[in-house]
Amino acid sequence: ETGVTQTPRHLVMGMTNKKSLKCEQHLGHNAMYWYKQSAKKPLELMFVYSLEERVENNSVPSRFSPECPNSSHLFLHLHTLQPEDSALYLCASSQDRTVSGNTIYFGEGSWLTVV
Amino acid sequence: TQLLEQSPQFLSIQEGENLTVYCNSSSVFSSLQWYRQEPGEGPVLLVTVVTGGEVKKLKRLTFQFGDARKDSSLHITAAQPGDTGLYLCAGARTGNQFYFGTGTSLTVIP
Repeated sequence: ETGVTQTPRHLVMGMTNKKSLKCEQHLGHNAMYWYKQSAKKPLELMFVYSLEERVENNSVPSRFSPECPNSSHLFLHLHTLQPEDSALYLCASSQDRTVSGNTIYFGEGSWLTVV
Repeated sequence: TQLLEQSPQFLSIQEGENLTVYCNSSSVFSSLQWYRQEPGEGPVLLVTVVTGGEVKKLKRLTFQFGDARKDSSLHITAAQPGDTGLYLCAGARTGNQFYFGTGTSLTVIP
């Protein structure tokens, strides 16, 4: 138990569906992240939120839409995805983006399959 | 261009053997973390090192941060099947994002 919880753990969706991934952290952290992990590729940072404000968007297609209603919750809204978007989506949090010695904690991930 | 390179990319060894995984960069990091990820799960933090030259031990695992804070190594003594997984290093740069290594996939054969 890392203190970061993701739901659902597994999701299969069609290319025309709309779905959302949810993340909740119980660590009192100020920063939250979405990462994408595909087979045989390094972790790819998608979005960063700091104190509920989006501070980074790494050229992610608009079919991925993040939402951070408060510092404990983070969503990733999915719409008209492509099969190549199938991957493990990892949520993470850290105390702050700027503190030296900062450590990032991951959730267990949401396996997404686009058919 | 990958900021952090890990080697080897794949490693398959017999139970009881020792191994070392390397994480190298030309950039300086304020801290460096090592994670282990099992199939279908998220990465789990093993250790954070902050000071150049720092050595930390976690049972049979020994982590070292390079003196210049550009590289790190993970040494496992007497590997066991439970050590099997993907090992990831991640460097943090103050005021910036975390940079993840390419990963080392370790298989320990009973």
